[in-house]
Amino acid sequence: KNEVEQSPQNLTAQEGEFITINCSYSVGISALHWLQQHPGGGIVSLFMLSSGKKKHGRLIATINIQEKHSSLHITASHPRDSAVYICAVGGHQTSGSRLTFGEGTQLTVNP
Amino acid sequence: DAGVIQSPRHEVTEMGQEVTLRCKPISGHNSLFWYRQTMMRGLELLIYFNNNVPIDDSGMPEDRFSAKMPNASFSTLKIQPSEPRDSAVYFCASSFLGGPYSNQPQHFGDGTRLSIL
Repeated sequence: KNEVEQSPQNLTAQEGEFITINCSYSVGISALHWLQQHPGGGIVSLFMLSSGKKKHGRLIATINIQEKHSSLHITASHPRDSAVYICAVGGHQTSGSRLTFGEGTQLTVNP
Repeated sequence: DAGVIQSPRHEVTEMGQEVTLRCKPISGHNSLFWYRQTMMRGLELLIYFNNNVPIDDSGMPEDRFSAKMPNASFSTLKIQPSEPRDSAVYFCASSFLGGPYSNQPQHFGDGTRLSIL
């Protein structure tokens, strides 16, 4: 079993739909990261969170430390949101600052 | 502000050749990470440095891989000799960390797409 599990692996939505991507992890962490990788390959850090919720534009990330679970929500989705979304965890004393990555969720938003 | 700069963007070479990938982190960042991304294994950490010192190199696949950070503004990842299974996209990222166990957002370079024939 992977230390970081994402679901779904693939997600297709229509423009305007509300989207949720889930991430579960099995190790103790100090922070969880959500990354976005566009078809061109570049990786952008969207959020880093250790508790509660963060919001940036149409993106919302939540984390429940007790349940070892995080969700990334996209409101009013748009075709330009099409990308791979990657969950990563790190910062535990046994792992140092190394990040452990999920396999990613391929999101396609159709117009 | 300039982001993390990697070079080259693409590299195609024959197996057995030495390959050197380069990275310039964001000025002021004290930590640098090398990652490899493949279809089969996704993103994997190879090694990271904090204040130019290698902290965790447990992800380096074998002795053919080596990484150096001679100063705060430059790092190299070298593969010698290269093999076809080393073909992947190699990303460098930098961050400002308060210590080897802390966590801050990482800023990624555009990656080097490496193909070993």
